[in-house]
Amino acid sequence: QSALTQSASVSGSPGQSITISCTGTSSDIGSHNYVSWYQHHPGKAPKLMIFDVTNRPSGVSNRFSGSKSGNTASLTISGLQAEDEADYYCSSYTSSRRVFGGGTKLTVL
Amino acid sequence: EVQLLESGGGLVQRGGSLRLSCGASGFIFSGYAMSWVRQSPGKGLEWISGISGSGTSTWHADSVKGRFTMSRDNSKNTLYLQMNSLRAEDTAVYYCAKALRPDGVGARDYWGQGTLVTVSS
Repeated sequence: QSALTQSASVSGSPGQSITISCTGTSSDIGSHNYVSWYQHHPGKAPKLMIFDVTNRPSGVSNRFSGSKSGNTASLTISGLQAEDEADYYCSSYTSSRRVFGGGTKLTVL
Repeated sequence: EVQLLESGGGLVQRGGSLRLSCGASGFIFSGYAMSWVRQSPGKGLEWISGISGSGTSTWHADSVKGRFTMSRDNSKNTLYLQMNSLRAEDTAVYYCAKALRPDGVGARDYWGQGTLVTVSS
């Protein structure tokens, strides 16, 4: 069982917005702002999309945004595009270790 | 350009050993903590090990503690994962990942393509 809880799947049509949530506890997500999100296309290297809850690395589209409230973090993708179809994982840092969510499969209809 | 290239994966019998390597380039390797993360078939990402930039501190997930050892050779810009007493549940693609920050806190900003380890019973 994953330490962080994500919904298994989400879908949306091109141009729409979707939000993926990630629920942890007061020991991980709720205790600091080191939440990150990764995009993973099967067979490829995972890609960092959001770090420190809200920050985008250079080169990541501003269609991707992150937020946090209490023990739950969220990733919002606006203006969905076909290439956004992938698995998305949240991650948090706790006691010199890190934990991942179980992953959410995004399907672009 | 940051590049991470894993190697050493393959087919191994249950109870056997394997050593994975991760060659790094494009950044000051000794200045950054690194991690190993794996993905078992049909499952999500699982953090298994981390190491400080100097190599003096390591951390392991409970699932591999006592069986896996993470190390690094900063003179060769190479990361290692020694895996002993392998189990069927260790079958996975293993990724090495670079810390965003030198001290390792927070995200991993670059990942390798992964190397597949298959443990046969």
